[in-house]
Amino acid sequence: GAVVSQHPSWVICKSGTSVKIECRSLDFQATTMFWYRQFPKQSLMLMATSNEGSKATYEQGVEKDKFLINHASLTLSTLTVTSAHPEDSSFYICSARDRGNNYGYTFGSGTRLTVV
Amino acid sequence: AQKVTQAQTEISVVEKEDVTLDCVYETRDTTYYLFWYKQPPSGELVFLIRRNSFDEQNEISGRYSWNFQKSTSSFNFTITASQVVDSAVYFCALGPEGYQKVTFGTGTKLQVIP
Repeated sequence: GAVVSQHPSWVICKSGTSVKIECRSLDFQATTMFWYRQFPKQSLMLMATSNEGSKATYEQGVEKDKFLINHASLTLSTLTVTSAHPEDSSFYICSARDRGNNYGYTFGSGTRLTVV
Repeated sequence: AQKVTQAQTEISVVEKEDVTLDCVYETRDTTYYLFWYKQPPSGELVFLIRRNSFDEQNEISGRYSWNFQKSTSSFNFTITASQVVDSAVYFCALGPEGYQKVTFGTGTKLQVIP
């Protein structure tokens, strides 16, 4: 089946630095990528939607200058958390829409970000 | 606006017991999709099932079964003869046609005690 590879699985960074998270669709073309954030013991909240070759659409309350999303190819989308702060510590997970995937969504394995 | 309610925050059962996880949804769309996902302690999301709004047939997959009742806007999930490996957080989700934004419930944490 469709696989989305997400890296890194976990990352610890210092406050003020930037962190890049990658999601790759391994065996299909992901025309649309969704980025979610999940705080401890909470649900998944959509942060933004990106379509290949165009700008991402951010959900209300999500700072586009802080969470940079790039979807330059049909197999790769990246989320960069810029000038990270401890409150950005969270679980980030991507999801890809596969044209041929009857289920519509394939999720990456997630990235646990800890900002110290 | 779409909304998914999972009223059960945490459930504990003893191994081999049956357990039902409730999901109630709200939407104004006539065509929509419902999902269940499993999130084990390792964090990844595991797809379990997708149903569209026109298919109210109940589904069974091994020990898992789903009951979709459009009249009550519910899409409940039952695990029969639970096992320790079933311990996880289970999310119910609702998506409009076209696989755009999916709305997740708050999740139900299931603990199966040996």
